[in-house]
Amino acid sequence: AQSVTQLGSHVSVSEGALVLLRCNYSSSVPPYLFWYVQYPNQGLQLLLKYTSAATLVKGINGFEAEFKKSETSFHLTKPSAHMSDAAEYFCAVSDWSARQLTFGSGTQLTVLP
Amino acid sequence: GAGVSQTPSNKVTEKGKYVELRCDPISGHTALYWYRQSLGQGPEFLIYFQGTGAADDSGLPNDRFFAVRPEGSVSTLKIQRTERGDSAVYLCASSPDPKSSDTQYFGPGTRLTVL
Repeated sequence: AQSVTQLGSHVSVSEGALVLLRCNYSSSVPPYLFWYVQYPNQGLQLLLKYTSAATLVKGINGFEAEFKKSETSFHLTKPSAHMSDAAEYFCAVSDWSARQLTFGSGTQLTVLP
Repeated sequence: GAGVSQTPSNKVTEKGKYVELRCDPISGHTALYWYRQSLGQGPEFLIYFQGTGAADDSGLPNDRFFAVRPEGSVSTLKIQRTERGDSAVYLCASSPDPKSSDTQYFGPGTRLTVL
């Protein structure tokens, strides 16, 4: 069975500050890991994904995430927050045996002026 | 190109009624998924189609929920005898191939409210 834990249901940062959203996963087999962003009244949009190639993954809008097997983590970072980054972020996991995504409970990011 | 579309965007119904939610996937995508997102939670898997057949329906909560994809494109999620606990946003996603590493493209969802 797979699971995802997102630490911090709400994160606030100042505009221009580092964004760090935490994700830890549990999987009995090598995982595929995803970060999605959800803006109000919109569908989920893929930011980036890890599929067993490079452990540092770069995504859209300046976001990146690093797969750390030893820590079972896949934290999302962005060096400098923009007001437009305010949204809800979801980490998700799948593997070769389970095509469906298992999501974390989400982190609401607020960017303060 | 067009993304995943879902209709209606909002549905309000009374307890005990029957509802149908429709999903139009991206053209050519063979895999289609349904998820349910309750307030303050991440999406939860309901059912996955590969072509016309339900390859995995292990997420359907009970036998009041049923989904079809008769021609391998449009899918309908059907809920019988709705209950207030069924209120949620129902999300549909599609992907080009049924590989676990494939990106799933999500629609905007149908917000179901059961009074």
